[in-house]
Amino acid sequence: SQQGEEDPQALSIQEGENATMNCSYKTSINNLQWYRQNSGRGLVHLILIRSNEREKHSGRLRVTLDTSKKSSSLLITASRAADTASYFCATDAFKNDMRFGAGTRLTVKP
Amino acid sequence: GAGVSQSPSNKVTEKGKDVELRCDPISGHTALYWYRQSLGQGLEFLIYFQGNSAPDKSGLPSDRFSAERTGGSVSTLTIQRTQQEDSAVYLCASSLQSRGETQYFGPGTRLLVL
Repeated sequence: SQQGEEDPQALSIQEGENATMNCSYKTSINNLQWYRQNSGRGLVHLILIRSNEREKHSGRLRVTLDTSKKSSSLLITASRAADTASYFCATDAFKNDMRFGAGTRLTVKP
Repeated sequence: GAGVSQSPSNKVTEKGKDVELRCDPISGHTALYWYRQSLGQGLEFLIYFQGNSAPDKSGLPSDRFSAERTGGSVSTLTIQRTQQEDSAVYLCASSLQSRGETQYFGPGTRLLVL
């Protein structure tokens, strides 16, 4: 069963704009991770945020975590056409069970 | 390269045949995962190996699916009597020790059952 659910399912923006994707989950977690997938192949890890952290940055990526609302957001600033991909959140629940959401498909138009 | 590798990249088979998919994790990684992803969908967890512990098989969809990990390294996912609904990309990932850590994914095997 899936734990994380991304929203929106699809997002289309112009190059240079910011993209925000959200992830909601159901149970308490140890950490939450965001991954990126190009062309339906392997996923690439982007960032991990622990349950005691509220915000984390990595380059043009900014992740927030609100454990009271059981939600996280991924912000990509100054988007590029190369950011076009599917983005997944994955949660590690305390029972040591990691699950991925269905993903947000981001299209960045040049 | 020292990443996760999977073979074959693509596999076309006929309904009813058995298939074997292989995963070579990153050297030294004790945790290994298999996922299935249907077209345009999210990842469906299949099975998790951690060291010498009994694998977590809770995601396997039916008894036609099985997996083993020999010597704590290479893993093989076997699908017996394949069905058309088994068509998907099968992804393997490994992490250093356990769930909750960063997972490193292979490129996947795209399976098509005719």
